Amino acid sequence: QSALTQPASVSGSPGQSITISCTGSSTDVGGSNSVSWYRLHPDRAPTLVIFEVHYRPPGVSPRFSGSKSGNTASLTISGLQTEDEDEYFCSSYSRTPTPHFVFGPGTTVTVL
Amino acid sequence: QVQLVESGGGEVQPGRSLGLSCEASGFTLSTYTMHWVRQTPGKGLEWVALISSDGTERYYSDSVRARFTISRDNFKNTLYLQMNSLRRNDTAVYYCVRPSSGSYYGFEFWGQGTRVTVSS
Repeated sequence: QSALTQPASVSGSPGQSITISCTGSSTDVGGSNSVSWYRLHPDRAPTLVIFEVHYRPPGVSPRFSGSKSGNTASLTISGLQTEDEDEYFCSSYSRTPTPHFVFGPGTTVTVL
Repeated sequence: QVQLVESGGGEVQPGRSLGLSCEASGFTLSTYTMHWVRQTPGKGLEWVALISSDGTERYYSDSVRARFTISRDNFKNTLYLQMNSLRRNDTAVYYCVRPSSGSYYGFEFWGQGTRVTVSS
């Protein structure tokens, strides 16, 4: 099954914008608009921050936005705040060879 | 509101079996494809399996195929994961997950998780 790549860490100062990339292949990220992003809190269940590339679930700040170009999806956090520090994972659906979902390895966001 | 409550986790020896359950409430289980996702120590998130809303289609990750079985009972509002031939690297917190309304791909609702430890 497919694998996604993410940078291990991304950092920025308060108020800045940061972008986390998620690179896959034409059979997953590039093959459909199925990319989602999750935020992982210590000792809590993950929370969905973006689905289907750029949609935000209710309650998620508009400072979080998603996009995709080819086989790479991106999560941008604008107006970075200390509360945004967490680990972020991307995920994609793939039909090849059988339907499945794959997660990236995660990116730690640090606010300097 | 949507609630997913997992149970059945615990410590088990390698090669043994364990069954997990997830009781769903606050929505009609029979209208959703459901998933199990696990969080492994130091390795992040891993999708495990999905089952279609009527139970006729089931798909698994390569790492658990032929060892794990996902099932559901829509009348009991319950999702299951039967785990056989457990390995040390199956040690994880297992989450029952429901997608967003109107989206097949976004995992919006998660249970609190149940911890499985495979150790001798």
